[in-house]
Amino acid sequence: EAQVTQNPRYLITVTGKKLTVTCSQNMNHEYMSWYRQDPGLGLRQIYYSMNVEVTDKGDVPEGYKVSRKEKRNFPLILESPSPNQTSLYFCASGGYYGYTFGSGTRLTVV
Amino acid sequence: QQQVKQSPQSLIVQKGGISIINCAYENTAFDYFPWYQQFPGKGPALLIAIRPDVSEKKEGRFTISFNKSAKQFSLHIMDSQPGDSATYFCAASMWETSGSRLTFGEGTQLTVNP
Repeated sequence: EAQVTQNPRYLITVTGKKLTVTCSQNMNHEYMSWYRQDPGLGLRQIYYSMNVEVTDKGDVPEGYKVSRKEKRNFPLILESPSPNQTSLYFCASGGYYGYTFGSGTRLTVV
Repeated sequence: QQQVKQSPQSLIVQKGGISIINCAYENTAFDYFPWYQQFPGKGPALLIAIRPDVSEKKEGRFTISFNKSAKQFSLHIMDSQPGDSATYFCAASMWETSGSRLTFGEGTQLTVNP
């Protein structure tokens, strides 16, 4: 089954404690992206990647890092999480004609 | 800067009615306009999409209307059903030198009452 898998689904952490949200796709897509979803703001792009070792900032990259060492994986790293990064995060892969989204990671930073 | 603006933020419709969600965009370089549907606890899923060289596209009960001169497009859900209750996002895409990027609207939470 073609899918994008994110882990964990839920995460509660404390301010400043580094964390990584993993994302993996099995569709051999070159393009992958991270979004955060907040009420009234829709889906805002954090980072995206066109291929292995090629990443670029989206609209809200501050406080986040990504890496793309393998085509299938695109982890999102929060080096020092803050409460304003409490949000619902989605990983997506695909391209111009459509994206496949993961099921989301609900992150709470206290 | 929000390049795609969506309204209304929420919408309540009776079963069998017509749901209409509107979007407006600013950047004329956008050349592909998809709609995504999101159920609670799930990621958004592609519902229907249109290119600016056509004014309307219909798939079952879902229709996109596109007005290129006004830079507006809308989603119409005919004979709305309780199972259509979800959040709907319009989006716009264009090719860039680094590939394509989707810009999303703010989302509309649709509730269809039985």
